[in-house]
Amino acid sequence: DVKVTQSSRYLVKRTGEKVFLECVQDMDHENMFWYRQDPGLGLRLIYFSYDVKMKEKGDIPEGYSVSREKKERFSLILESASTNQTSMYLCASLPGDSYEQYFGPGTRLTVT
Amino acid sequence: QKEVEQNSGPLSVPEGAIASLNCTYSDRGSQSFFWYRQYSGKSPELIMSIYSNGDKEDGRFTAQLNKASQYVSLLIRDSQPSDSATYLCAPGANFGNEKLTFGTGTRLTIIP
Repeated sequence: DVKVTQSSRYLVKRTGEKVFLECVQDMDHENMFWYRQDPGLGLRLIYFSYDVKMKEKGDIPEGYSVSREKKERFSLILESASTNQTSMYLCASLPGDSYEQYFGPGTRLTVT
Repeated sequence: QKEVEQNSGPLSVPEGAIASLNCTYSDRGSQSFFWYRQYSGKSPELIMSIYSNGDKEDGRFTAQLNKASQYVSLLIRDSQPSDSATYLCAPGANFGNEKLTFGTGTRLTIIP
């Protein structure tokens, strides 16, 4: 069974804090993605990565950065958290020879 | 115009009836199409994929694709209360290594 884990289910941070969200997959997948999900806006792609040390901007990269130093780990970084980054954050991974994205359980981040 | 449009619902269907979920997309270059199911508080999971015009059946689920009309649908036969969830439509540009664009989803409620 493919397993995608995220470091926290719930997180509360203050405005201006640096926030790290971590995602780990155990199936040697090449591709990893970070989304945020908001009511009425659906799933929106923040960043994705096709390989170690490789990253591509998604549709809403502003205010975020990512790091992929190892194949199994993809980190999302909020350099200076703001209240409009309060959201559900979902990580997904995808093998290179398939099209089924496997999602982690999500992290609900609240920025106060 | 949104890239992917779905009726947000809620769509209420009696148990045992057919639920019909619709999705239109704007990118004519889309080649692959996916339906994800998301239970409340959970992550999306892939339930159907379709790549060619016509119908594709998998158990109680049938996906229908019409590329000329830029329309994809999901039919759920013999609806069960366990089908109550939000269904996300996601067209993709290429086979594999997908950067998907998700619709906002249709919330389906099956009434016992």
